[in-house]
Amino acid sequence: GAGVSQSPSNKVTEKGKDVELRCDPISGHTALYWYRQSLGQGLEFLIYFQGNSAPDKSGLPSDRFSAERTGGSVSTLTIQRTQQEDSAVYLCASSQSDSAWEKLFFGSGTQLSVL
Amino acid sequence: KNEVEQSPQNLTAQEGEFITINCSYSVGISALHWLQQHPGGGIVSLFMLSSGKKKHGRLIATINIQEKHSSLHITASHPRDSAVYICAVVGGTSYGKLTFGQGTILTVHP
Repeated sequence: GAGVSQSPSNKVTEKGKDVELRCDPISGHTALYWYRQSLGQGLEFLIYFQGNSAPDKSGLPSDRFSAERTGGSVSTLTIQRTQQEDSAVYLCASSQSDSAWEKLFFGSGTQLSVL
Repeated sequence: KNEVEQSPQNLTAQEGEFITINCSYSVGISALHWLQQHPGGGIVSLFMLSSGKKKHGRLIATINIQEKHSSLHITASHPRDSAVYICAVVGGTSYGKLTFGQGTILTVHP
């Protein structure tokens, strides 16, 4: 597609359930990033993938969070045993490479609400 | 103290005014991004800087690496410029790991 696609756009779940969020980056982009935007907290880095290199998971807030990227394209962020504090907008971005000079292209995000 | 500080947090202007948003950071960086987020959430990358100045239309971004400071200027502001402007820095060796400022909410009245 022309842009970064995220699905679902909205997800409501019950505390304790697992959720999967999907990101489809721009075709050919080797770098993919996940961020979280919480109410009142601003944006924070979660994880990033660059090509076939091991992902940088240093921003994941707990071991309930994991992400994978299959075939160097689509990525899935999984949150296990969701908690209310996980409620946030989860944003995905991609760029042509992981160089600091590359422009980032953001998806429109997944609004996650944990009841 | 946050690693990336923006000022002001809120800014209200009249159409046509010159606007400046500031970003100061306390860590070594390889690049700095200015992002724009409109109501409804979409984020657009405006600029990436590592030195000097960049211009795109009515937007100008500058960075002073020695002073660890960047500014985003909007000339001849327009109500459609109303958005949240976010500064984000890239650490020296962690190109994918952005550290974000808290954002500046800009409202431009007609």
